[in-house]
Amino acid sequence: GAVVSQHPSWVICKSGTSVKIECRSLDFQATTMFWYRQFPKQSLMLMATSNEGSKATYEQGVEKDKFLINHASLTLSTLTVTSAHPEDSSFYICSAARASGIDNEQFFGPGTRLTVL
Amino acid sequence: GQNIDQPTEMTATEGAIVQINCTYQTSGFNGLFWYQQHAGEAPTFLSYNVLDGLEEKGRFSSFLSRSKGYSYLLLKELQMKDSASYLCAVLDSNYQLIWGAGTKLIIKP
Repeated sequence: GAVVSQHPSWVICKSGTSVKIECRSLDFQATTMFWYRQFPKQSLMLMATSNEGSKATYEQGVEKDKFLINHASLTLSTLTVTSAHPEDSSFYICSAARASGIDNEQFFGPGTRLTVL
Repeated sequence: GQNIDQPTEMTATEGAIVQINCTYQTSGFNGLFWYQQHAGEAPTFLSYNVLDGLEEKGRFSSFLSRSKGYSYLLLKELQMKDSASYLCAVLDSNYQLIWGAGTKLIIKP
């Protein structure tokens, strides 16, 4: 159990376009979902934390108007990169925490590789 | 500030044992996680320690000393597929995960 999916797994887009990434918890309800970004050879960087039905909490330096997060249900969160630019090219990973089990143990999605041309 | 330190890279031989250390200074402590991440993939959960001592799970073991702000991940009978980055992460007093930069483990035949 505790499977998290992400879609798409990779996307290539032109500069200025918007890209939506979906994160789903397939067999459990996720009280909290997290969005991370990882540049090559670097650690995960938390972008934002979202709880179902409320606004996401963004980390310092992350533009909330550029990275729109919607957590519509206990099994789905979406990240929309608006007006993407080449510097937004990165590996975006979501994770989900469930109410039961280890406190805040996070189950990771497979990641979405975004390339902005 | 909050800080997690782990070596950048380690090399070991197939069949051997390797210990990856992690030291941390965080505002509060609610547990320490170890994750494995293969290149181009998302991290996968390995272990969770919240009490002092050693937790053994197959070929992998994780140790925690809260008084020393120290943990290690021990990998036995190394296999080529163990080549990956190993991430140490601490849950602070606000239940935020603070991540280390990861240790790249290279396994040689």
